[in-house]
Order: sequence, then C-alpha cells, then structure tokens
Amino acid sequence: KQEVTQIPAALSVPEGENLVLNCSFTDSAIYNLQWFRQDPGKGLTSLLLIQSSQREQTSGRLNASLDKSSGRSTLYIAASQPGDSATYLCAVEEGGFKTIFGAGTRLFVKA
Amino acid sequence: NAGVTQTPKFQVLKTGQSMTLQCAQDMNHEYMSWYRQDPGMGLRLIHYSVGAGITDQGEVPNGYNVSRSTTEDFPLRLLSAAPSQTSVYFCASSYRQGVRTEAFFGQGTRLTVV
Repeated sequence: KQEVTQIPAALSVPEGENLVLNCSFTDSAIYNLQWFRQDPGKGLTSLLLIQSSQREQTSGRLNASLDKSSGRSTLYIAASQPGDSATYLCAVEEGGFKTIFGAGTRLFVKA
Repeated sequence: NAGVTQTPKFQVLKTGQSMTLQCAQDMNHEYMSWYRQDPGMGLRLIHYSVGAGITDQGEVPNGYNVSRSTTEDFPLRLLSAAPSQTSVYFCASSYRQGVRTEAFFGQGTRLTVV
C-alpha cells in the first residue's frame, strides 16, 4: 500500500529565506508526482507536476525534484515571501489515475 | 471557465440523514475522484471513476456511494450520515495527454454531522 509522508509537518521562517519541503513515498512505481498549494478554507492549486521519467520541474521561485528510485521529492522555494504562507501537499499517482496524498506541510513566512 | 464545481459549500446533517454532494466539471476530463480531508491527515481517496459508467473504491469508501452516468457529473452519496463523516470533501478531475496527467480540484464542501 502506497504511503506518502511529508516532513516537516509545519515550518515557520522569516521572509527572504530559501526553504525545502520534503516528500517521501513507499512504492516507487508511480506515474507522476504533483505538488499542490492549499490556502485556509480553499481548494487545492496545482504548483508543479513531475512525470516519472523526469528529474525536476521549475516554475518561477519554485523547483521540484524527483528521485523515484529512492522514493523522494523535494520542493524548493527561493526567497520566501509572506504570500507563500499556505499548506503544501505532495501527491503521487499510482497509475489508473489513483492518487495518494501526503498530510502536508504548513508553511508560515514571517514579514 | 468554471472548472470543477462542487455544491453545496457548507452542509449540516443530523445523524442518519442521507444526502448527495454534487460535483461537475466542464473540461471533458475522463477521471474524477472524491477525497475527504481531516485535520492532520491530508486528503484520503473515497471513490474514483476513470470514465462514464466506471467507478472504483479508494482508501476509505465505507458509508459512501458514487455513480458516473455522464462524463461531466460525479455525485457522492452519504447513505446514513455519521459524526465520523464530518469532514471537508473535495472533488477532482484529471486528464491525461500522452504522458502528462494533471488534477484540478473544486473548492470543497464542508460537512458537519451532528
């Protein structure tokens, strides 16, 4: 059974810091891995999608890497801003469209 | 440009009542799914569908039914609501184009069972 773990569960940093969020998964037979952002009381917004054959994806200040063989992904946020405060969720698709989520990392960026 | 639409946004039910959470997407996506989100537990898959007429169980299917009679709609039915079903429910739809898959989520339905 696939299990997705995100570390840390919560993180508080001052504005301007570079930070790394971690995601690990137990079964490396994944189709893709997606990072989402969730604001309080809101739905999920897709940030980055990495196919199983890819190693990383970048969008603006965000960079996500994938090491499928070791079951790990990281989300790197450069020059963090208070507007980055949210919960970040990692999700792996097992194929057949079945997607399993981690519990998320709650990020707070202090001005 | 509606995307994924969930109704209602909020609902309070009494124990034992039944209801249907609605989900509709206008992107012609094959795949739709329902999740529940509880504090500290992330999203857990309830049921999913890979196309009209096809549904399957996810991680936590007990107490819920689904059907997929059209590509656009994927309603979630609570047969006899229990306090343990108090949660935030999210509907999602996905497409696959070649090797690329991407999921889109509705805004959620906050359900309280008293």
